[in-house]
Amino acid sequence: GAVVSQHPSWVICKSGTSVKIECRSLDFQATTMFWYRQFPKQSLMLMATSNEGSKATYEQGVEKDKFLINHASLTLSTLTVTSAHPEDSSFYICSARIYRATDYEQYFGPGTRLTVT
Amino acid sequence: SQELEQSPQSLIVQEGKNLTINCTSSKTLYGLYWYKQKYGEGLIFLMMLQKGGEEKSHEKITAKLDEKKQQSSLHITASQPSHAGIYLCGADIYGSNGGYQKVTFGTGTKLQVIP
Repeated sequence: GAVVSQHPSWVICKSGTSVKIECRSLDFQATTMFWYRQFPKQSLMLMATSNEGSKATYEQGVEKDKFLINHASLTLSTLTVTSAHPEDSSFYICSARIYRATDYEQYFGPGTRLTVT
Repeated sequence: SQELEQSPQSLIVQEGKNLTINCTSSKTLYGLYWYKQKYGEGLIFLMMLQKGGEEKSHEKITAKLDEKKQQSSLHITASQPSHAGIYLCGADIYGSNGGYQKVTFGTGTKLQVIP
């Protein structure tokens, strides 16, 4: 299957600082990328959907000024957590959608563990 | 409220037994995905179903989307310890702002296979 990478795999930062997480599709072009957050003992929560070259669409309740998403190319999307606070500590996962003829598939990155101290 | 309901939440089966996991939505599903997550690893894409009545197989795992496209079942035949993990269904449904598809996820089913 297709490969999606995330960097970094884990990061610890101080409260008030910003953190950037990269999501790359390694062997395919992804016109659509998704960012999720996983809370402990809960399922994945979609934060936003980004299409290459356009502004991300955020889910209700997700602060767009806090979670900046940039989908600069067909293989790279970034999530920047601005002015991070301890409550932002979580596991962030990206996924990329690939269209194959009449079907499409979605692949996930390995996730990034963010800890804000 | 959860848009996708998965059942059961957890399952323990003897090796060699068959099992079924269900994923149900109150809304029409425009695309249904099944994933597996092994403990400590990322999500692995298993298969995607789009058409009502569609059935796909991946090794000993078969998934089907019902005709009304509101429920999918994942069936494992002759389960093995390697099947253990968390199975997650995800679905494309229309968002509240209309015409916009988003992927939402079920709560997951934890499967243990006893040798």
